[in-house]
Amino acid sequence: DAGVTQSPTHLIKTRGQQVTLRCSPKSGHDTVSWYQQALGQGPQFIFQYYEEEERQRGNFPDRFSGHQFPNYSSELNVNALLLGDSALYLCASSLAGTANEQFFGPGTRLTVL
Amino acid sequence: AQSVTQPDIHITVSEGASLELRCNYSYGATPYLFWYVQSPGQGLQLLLKYFSGDTLVQGIKGFEAEFKRSQSSFNLRKPSVHWSDAAEYFCAVGTTDSWGKLQFGAGTQVVVTP
Repeated sequence: DAGVTQSPTHLIKTRGQQVTLRCSPKSGHDTVSWYQQALGQGPQFIFQYYEEEERQRGNFPDRFSGHQFPNYSSELNVNALLLGDSALYLCASSLAGTANEQFFGPGTRLTVL
Repeated sequence: AQSVTQPDIHITVSEGASLELRCNYSYGATPYLFWYVQSPGQGLQLLLKYFSGDTLVQGIKGFEAEFKRSQSSFNLRKPSVHWSDAAEYFCAVGTTDSWGKLQFGAGTQVVVTP
């Protein structure tokens, strides 16, 4: 049973560029959440998708957007990258109704130069 | 304001010794509580969770945690630490009205010495 997978593993971009990160949830899960983990800090909630809609959002600007596909996979898009966007981006999946029990992927390390 | 506090940024413990990591929360609603572990370069692995019922919960890798409502705490313990327990540990809180939005503490780095 595959767990949560994310791609790519690492990514290097320059300021002002746009980036797309991808996530496939654990088999049987229908809800995907995204978190940003800056170096030396705990993960910060970005947003959550269920039934292809954004259900909750954390304190992140509109430059951060997402999408969920009918197969429950998800993308995180970040526009107009800033140096401060450099972080580990974690995807977590869960089953609606047990939404608080989340399983995390290995993350995508984004470096903005 | 809702918050999750892990007072200890860094803990060093000898192999075979006991370990306790502290977590305090401030939430208005009934919280769901979690402990996750993160090894270098890895994602987060769930160690244990508390939703309701028995306030002492058992997790994987020999860890346990106790929920104390009166102290707003959910401390993680292990009786005898192994070198492989060296990692960063995160306490996280969710609520019934937050639809799966977890709030994490800043983490505690655990170093295990021989």
